[in-house]
Parts: sequence; C-alpha cells; structure tokens
Amino acid sequence: DIQMTQSPSTLSASVGDRVTITCRASESISSWLAWYQQKPGKAPNLLIYKASTLESGVPSRFSGSRSGTEFTLTISSLQPDDFATYYCQEYNSDFRTFGQGTKVEIK
Amino acid sequence: EVLLLESGGGLVQPGGSLSLSCEASRFAFGTYALSWVRQAPGKGLQWVSAISDDGRNTYYADSVRGRFTISRDNSKNTLFLQMSSLGPEDTAVYYCARHSTAFHFDSWGQGTLVTVSS
Repeated sequence: DIQMTQSPSTLSASVGDRVTITCRASESISSWLAWYQQKPGKAPNLLIYKASTLESGVPSRFSGSRSGTEFTLTISSLQPDDFATYYCQEYNSDFRTFGQGTKVEIK
Repeated sequence: EVLLLESGGGLVQPGGSLSLSCEASRFAFGTYALSWVRQAPGKGLQWVSAISDDGRNTYYADSVRGRFTISRDNSKNTLFLQMSSLGPEDTAVYYCARHSTAFHFDSWGQGTLVTVSS
C-alpha cells in the first residue's frame, strides 16, 4: 500500500506568514494528489487536486507543487480563516490514503 | 450545489452491527463513484471503502474488509455502508464523499457519528 508521510504535524504561524506543508509518497503517484482543509466539527473541504490545480472558489494564496514523490501545499500569506488542519490524499491507488494531517495554529 | 446527507449513526455495543446511509441530491448520482471516509475522535482522516458508479466494483481498507459492505441504490440516490463485528476502534464520524471525474473527492457530507461502546 502507498504510505503518505505529511509534515509537520503541527505548525505555529502568524497572520501574514508564508506557510509550507509537505507530503511525501512512498512510491510514485504521478500527480494524483489532493489537499483538503478541515475545520473543527466540519467536513473536509477540497483545496487543490492533481497536485497543483486550485479548486474553484479557493483563494489564490493557496498553491500546490510536486517534485517527484514530494508534494507541497503553500499558503502565501496566512489569513485568520486559514487556521485549520490540512490533509493530503493520494488517489493513484484504489485505497486513497490520507496523510496524517497538519494543524496550523496561531502563534 | 451537491448535497450528501449521512444518517444511521449511533451507539452500538461491541460486536454489533449498524447500517449507514448517504442520501444524495443535486447531481447525477449514478454517474459518480463514492467513498466512505471516517475520522476517529481527535484523529486524522481514514479512507474506508469505495464503490464504482454502477456498483459493480467495490474496494475496502484492510481494517474493515470482511466486516463492512458498501453498496448503492442508484434508483434512490443512496449510498450505504453495512458494518458488522464492530469494535471500539470503529468509533468515528463517518463521511460519504463523491469522487470527481478526475478521481479526487470534490464533495463531502456532514458526517454521522458511530460510537462503539458497552
């Protein structure tokens, strides 16, 4: 099975900071990777798919990139609404593995 | 806007069974694959099971294979998850999610809580 290793598990940042979250796949998944944002008590919300395609309606401060089996979610200027937990997910396999999540906290 | 509404969660004793439903609306239900994803209290997301648009192909996480059965009724726009031999480790919020045409999950329900406890 594909393993998705996401880091860091927690990130403390301030409004306006540039934030980077990384997800590494245990084998090639091409660009079949999505990023989701989840706020407490709510369902996840799609941010990015196919590694770097921004979902409609998602602010342009969110971006995604790929280098081999390493994927990055970047928030260019953190906003108050962005404090949440972020998950990567591969969809190359039938098992749709998620990363462990990164909680972005207020510094 | 796509609507997915889960139901059927509740308290069940260890070893018991429970059936979840996900009623869909505002899209062509029978043309999309669907998944169940769960989240234990304070934990991350775990994919549980998926089913193809026509229901012919099903997939399961190792942790639930043989105990859970996913199915769908395209005439009723409803997805199901039949769960048996439940243990405390199955305690979670269960979400249904729609697979986009590009295979990622583009819509999620609000979730239903399953608690396995004596």
